[in-house]
Amino acid sequence: DADVTQTPRNRITKTGKRIMLECSQTKGHDRMYWYRQDPGLGLRLIYYSFDVKDINKGEISDGYSVSRQAQAKFSLSLESAIPNQTALYFCATGGARSNEQFFGPGTRLTVL
Amino acid sequence: DQQVKQNSPSLSVQEGRISILNCDYTNSMFDYFLWYKKYPAEGPTFLISISSIKDKNEDGRFTVFLNKSAKHLSLHIVPSQPGDSAVYFCAASELRGSRLTFGEGTQLTVNP
Repeated sequence: DADVTQTPRNRITKTGKRIMLECSQTKGHDRMYWYRQDPGLGLRLIYYSFDVKDINKGEISDGYSVSRQAQAKFSLSLESAIPNQTALYFCATGGARSNEQFFGPGTRLTVL
Repeated sequence: DQQVKQNSPSLSVQEGRISILNCDYTNSMFDYFLWYKKYPAEGPTFLISISSIKDKNEDGRFTVFLNKSAKHLSLHIVPSQPGDSAVYFCAASELRGSRLTFGEGTQLTVNP
């Protein structure tokens, strides 16, 4: 089984809809991250959480919110999706003593 | 403000030759540097890292070089293999276990 899972893997939605992307990990890490990937822009950090009671904004948090339901679960919400939120979204997890982060397989989101 | 930059969007190399991927950074507080590899439809996977107290780290065919005075790092792959064809991301962080800042990525193509 994969260490970091993301659901759904693909989603097509319409402008104005609320969308939730979910992430689960079995690595036992405290730290979890949400990134988006756009062509030519690399991976940009949206939100991150160092433990269940800790939530921090990343570089591009506007239009997004997150919820850390448990150590193993971190979900990303788009309250009212817009077309420029069309992107690949990745969840990642990491430990406090290492810089290595482990990524999920990604969710391809298309907002029409 | 792009703190980590990969100026070459793509690189094409013949099988068996050396691949050199470059990365520049502007934040002098960065202390740890990592390279990730990403295949299509998969999440990025960790490849190799280096701490700022070193100038070279080697792992099999992969070597990362760090020039702190120039704020530049490079990834050397020798010999290059077709299976190395992927997008390579450079990343940096200020503290162990803290958030990563990624570059834009370089698409490496190794031709048989």
